[in-house]
Amino acid sequence: KAGVTQTPRYLIKTRGQQVTLSCSPISGHRSVSWYQQTPGQGLQFLFEYFSETQRNKGNFPGRFSGRQFSNSRSEMNVSTLELGDSALYLCASTPSGGEAFFGQGTRLTVV
Amino acid sequence: SQKIEQNSEALNIQEGKTATLTCNYTNYSPAYLQWYRQDPGRGPVFLLLIRENEKEKRKERLKVTFDTTLKQSLFHITASQPADSATYLCALDTYTGGFKTIFGAGTRLFVKA
Repeated sequence: KAGVTQTPRYLIKTRGQQVTLSCSPISGHRSVSWYQQTPGQGLQFLFEYFSETQRNKGNFPGRFSGRQFSNSRSEMNVSTLELGDSALYLCASTPSGGEAFFGQGTRLTVV
Repeated sequence: SQKIEQNSEALNIQEGKTATLTCNYTNYSPAYLQWYRQDPGRGPVFLLLIRENEKEKRKERLKVTFDTTLKQSLFHITASQPADSATYLCALDTYTGGFKTIFGAGTRLFVKA
């Protein structure tokens, strides 16, 4: 069974640009959650999608958005990038909650 | 305010000893609590899940306890090995129309040979 796949693995962007990250969950998993991980803040919850609907959201500005497609694949978008957005972005999938399977993450660097 | 606290200081132990990591939380009513392991540059890996009505769970050399009165979970690794060296994350799951998993900052464990 293939694991959670995140693309790209690494990304360098300039302040003010926008970025889209992709996550393909484990086949059959309908819940996808996104997290931001930085050395100072640890793993911070961004949002959770289930069957194309955002069910829960963390405390991030509106520049952070996401969506989920009918095949459960998910994307997150960050607009007007700031230096502080540099982080490891992790995606996790579960059947509907509980044990989460994480991808390897996308390392975003904003310069 | 809601908090999940794990020992921010690294834990150094000798191979063969039992490592005990602590997770305390305030102002949460978790449906369940999970423990994950994370190695540098990689995503967390699930280890154990314990529900609010369970006191203890075991898996091979791992044991988790969950005390909802004390609002605390203890995570034990018995007969620790250098390969157990990693960061261990505690996570609480709450449900409000959808699952929200909140992670602690993690405790770095070093097991010396």
